[in-house]
Amino acid sequence: DIQMTQSPSTLSASVGDRVTITCRASQSISNWLAWYQQKPGKAPKLLISKASSLESGVPSRFSGSGSGTEFTLTISSLQPDDFATYYCQQYDSYPWTFGQGTKVEIK
Amino acid sequence: QVQLQQSGPGLVKPSQTLSLTCVISGDSVSRNTAAWNWMRQSPSGGLEWLGRTSYRSKWYNAYAESVKSRITISPDTSKNQFSLQLRSVTPEDTAVYFCARDMAGGAIDYWGQGTLVTVSS
Repeated sequence: DIQMTQSPSTLSASVGDRVTITCRASQSISNWLAWYQQKPGKAPKLLISKASSLESGVPSRFSGSGSGTEFTLTISSLQPDDFATYYCQQYDSYPWTFGQGTKVEIK
Repeated sequence: QVQLQQSGPGLVKPSQTLSLTCVISGDSVSRNTAAWNWMRQSPSGGLEWLGRTSYRSKWYNAYAESVKSRITISPDTSKNQFSLQLRSVTPEDTAVYFCARDMAGGAIDYWGQGTLVTVSS
């Protein structure tokens, strides 16, 4: 199985901060990577697919980059609605696997 | 707008079968560009993909090795839904279960509301 490792596990930040989350794959997954945002008691929401393709309706302050084994999710200016847990997911090969999550907290 | 509505029991006894159903509205389980997935999220928060079914002139299934001997995902075209059966459950199968759709190979764009299933006697 492809292991997905996110860092950091928890991130404390303030409104307006630039935030970067990293996701590393244990082997190359080309650009078959998605990012999700999850709030307590809700299903995850797809933010980005194919490593850098922003989903319709997702604010432009979110961006993704990377290929191969290293990927990043950046929030250019953190907003109150962005405090949540973020997950990466590879869909290069079965079984699809997720990172352990990064919780973005209010500083 | 695609909506996925899950149903099924929230409590299952050890060694029994967990059964959940996901009713699709706004799309078709037989659409040949979509696939229909089940995932779960453990109490500690980890997300695990369990398997998917898709129609590409015939039905295809793919399952995670971790549950492959115990899982069946079945489409029901007459009701436009798909179901999950997980046999011989243990307390380690306690989780929130999600049904979900993916298009173009794996990014999950629509999710059900989630069902907390507790395995306990």
